[in-house]
Amino acid sequence: AQTVTQSQPEMSVQEAETVTLSCTYDTSESDYYLFWYKQPPSRQMILVIRQEAYKQQNATENRFSVNFQKAAKSFSLKISDSQLGDAAMYFCAYRLTLTGKLIFGQGTTLQVKP
Amino acid sequence: DADVTQTPRNRITKTGKRIMLECSQTKGHDRMYWYRQDPGLGLRLIYYSFDVKDINKGEISDGYSVSRQAQAKFSLSLESAIPNQTALYFCATSDSRQLSYEQYFGPGTRLTVT
Repeated sequence: AQTVTQSQPEMSVQEAETVTLSCTYDTSESDYYLFWYKQPPSRQMILVIRQEAYKQQNATENRFSVNFQKAAKSFSLKISDSQLGDAAMYFCAYRLTLTGKLIFGQGTTLQVKP
Repeated sequence: DADVTQTPRNRITKTGKRIMLECSQTKGHDRMYWYRQDPGLGLRLIYYSFDVKDINKGEISDGYSVSRQAQAKFSLSLESAIPNQTALYFCATSDSRQLSYEQYFGPGTRLTVT
């Protein structure tokens, strides 16, 4: 069965600095999607970035980028030039191929210090 | 207007009561999902539906039931609420025609069972 693990319950970063959130997963599938979701205090789930497993190029969305290591089953999120608005809980998620269901990690709470 | 709406946004109920959480979407998506979020556990899937006549159990369906009244509406019921069902509940939708099956989340319902 697929599993997703986020080993950092909490992280903190200074405003304008860079932070990396870790995520590892386990799967026997060869083609799949991975996602990072942000959940601010408003509790809305916001998609930050997605990665298709068959693409070797790491996804990038403005200040957000991923380091996707397929062989290591690692999918980390890098936030550059951190802003106060980046403070939130971040969830890594794996999409099951057949059903489209998402398997979520436990979440990492990111604090941004001014 | 929000594409995925949930009612109510917050609810306090007593043990043994029946309660229904409702989800509506205007995105025209065929797939809908119900998740619950608990601290330290991330989001876990309760039920999912591929279309009106196709409903499936997720990993934690015990104590819950669902109804897909129309393509745009998917309701979650707790037949006899218990305190450990206190959680944040999310509805999500996805379009099976999209390769990534990206899921779009509602704003969540905070349920407290006393």
